[in-house]
Amino acid sequence: GENVEQHPSTLSVQEGDSAVIKCTYSDSASNYFPWYKQELGKRPQLIIDIRSNVGEKKDQRIAVTLNKTAKHFSLHITETQPEDSAVYFCAASALLGYSTLTFGKGTMLLVSP
Amino acid sequence: EAQVTQNPRYLITVTGKKLTVTCSQNMNHEYMSWYRQDPGLGLRQIYYSMNVEVTDKGDVPEGYKVSRKEKRNFPLILESPSPNQTSLYFCASSGVRAGVPDTQYFGPGTRLTVL
Repeated sequence: GENVEQHPSTLSVQEGDSAVIKCTYSDSASNYFPWYKQELGKRPQLIIDIRSNVGEKKDQRIAVTLNKTAKHFSLHITETQPEDSAVYFCAASALLGYSTLTFGKGTMLLVSP
Repeated sequence: EAQVTQNPRYLITVTGKKLTVTCSQNMNHEYMSWYRQDPGLGLRQIYYSMNVEVTDKGDVPEGYKVSRKEKRNFPLILESPSPNQTSLYFCASSGVRAGVPDTQYFGPGTRLTVL
C-alpha cells in the first residue's frame, strides 16, 4: 500500500518568515495530494490540494508543488502569521477506484510573534 | 448548514462492551470514511465507503466494523473494544466530481477511552 513520509515533524519560524513542509510517497499510482490544517482541539480542514496533472498550485500565501518523477510534494507558506500555528498533514490517494487516503504523520508548525 | 456530525463526542467505556459511534452527513456525499488519530501516528484510515452497501478496509480495520445502509449514515462499530482502541476518531465525507474526489469534510471527532 501507499506510504507517506512527512518532514519535519516540528517547525518553528518567526512571524513573516516562510515555512516549507515536505512529503514523499511510495505509490506511483497516487495522483491526488491534499493538505490539511488541524488547530488544537479541532478537526482537520483542507487548505489546498493538487492533482497530478499540475505541478504547482497557489492560493494567496499558500502554495503546493508536486514532483511526480521524484514522488514528492511540498507545502509552502509565505509571510507566516501566528494564526498559521497548527499541525499540518499531507496525504496521498490514487483516484482510480477511489482507494484509501494515506496521511503523513503531521508537522507541528509554531509561528512566534 | 453543510456538516458532518458524530455522536457521542466523548465516551469512556470498559473492555468488551460493544459500542457504536454514529456519523451522519447532510451533503449527499457518496464517499464516507473513518479515521483514528493517535499522537505521533497521524491519521490512519479504518474503513471507507464509496456508496451505499459498498465498504472497504483502510489501513487499520482490525477490531472495527462499519455499515452503509443509507447514504447519509456511516456508523463505526466496536464489537469488543480493547484499550488499544483508545483514540480520537474522525468521520469524513466527500463528493465525487467528474469521477474524482472533492474536498473531504471531517466531523468534530469522538474521543474514546477504553478502560
